[in-house]
Amino acid sequence: DVKVTQSSRYLVKRTGEKVFLECVQDMDHENMFWYRQDPGLGLRLIYFSYDVKMKEKGDIPEGYSVSREKKERFSLILESASTNQTSMYLCASSPPPGSANYGYTFGSGTRLTVV
Amino acid sequence: AQSVTQLGSHVSVSEGALVLLRCNYSSSVPPYLFWYVQYPNQGLQLLLKYTTGATLVKGINGFEAEFKKSETSFHLTKPSAHMSDAAEYFCAVILPFSGGYNKLIFGAGTRLAVHP
Repeated sequence: DVKVTQSSRYLVKRTGEKVFLECVQDMDHENMFWYRQDPGLGLRLIYFSYDVKMKEKGDIPEGYSVSREKKERFSLILESASTNQTSMYLCASSPPPGSANYGYTFGSGTRLTVV
Repeated sequence: AQSVTQLGSHVSVSEGALVLLRCNYSSSVPPYLFWYVQYPNQGLQLLLKYTTGATLVKGINGFEAEFKKSETSFHLTKPSAHMSDAAEYFCAVILPFSGGYNKLIFGAGTRLAVHP
């Protein structure tokens, strides 16, 4: 089974801190994604990547950046954390569209609280 | 705008009753459609998906969904609810995105409660 691992389940950070959220997948998927989940809003796409060193903005990229130096790892960076970034963050990976097993596999999530 | 709408943010059923969670989408191209389930403090687990072929799709845990193109719907059903089905359910659709890429767009979610 595809496994997507997020390094932390819970994080508490202070306003203004630089925050790194790490995600690793073990199935050699080209595509990786970062979402945030908020009550009543579902999941919203922050950034995605279709290849190493490649990134594309999603629907809500403001205040975030990403890094993909290796195929299996996709990091989300909050340059200066703010309280409105308190949320659940979910990482996902997928094979290319058209693959027999196409679909997104999600990690368990990181619940970030910014105080 | 292309989107996914889940009707009802909260649904409550009795154990053994029919579960029906509604999802409508808007898309200018044939969609790929998904249902995910999220249990408390966990990530999302794929229940079922429609890509091509048979429009009635069976998933895990006794759930199924039917793609109806004329109604732009992909409603999720289960004949008999179990207490363990209590969770949040998300409908999602793959849509074209800028630069020729695709992205997965989610509905706002429906929280299912099952009472004895």
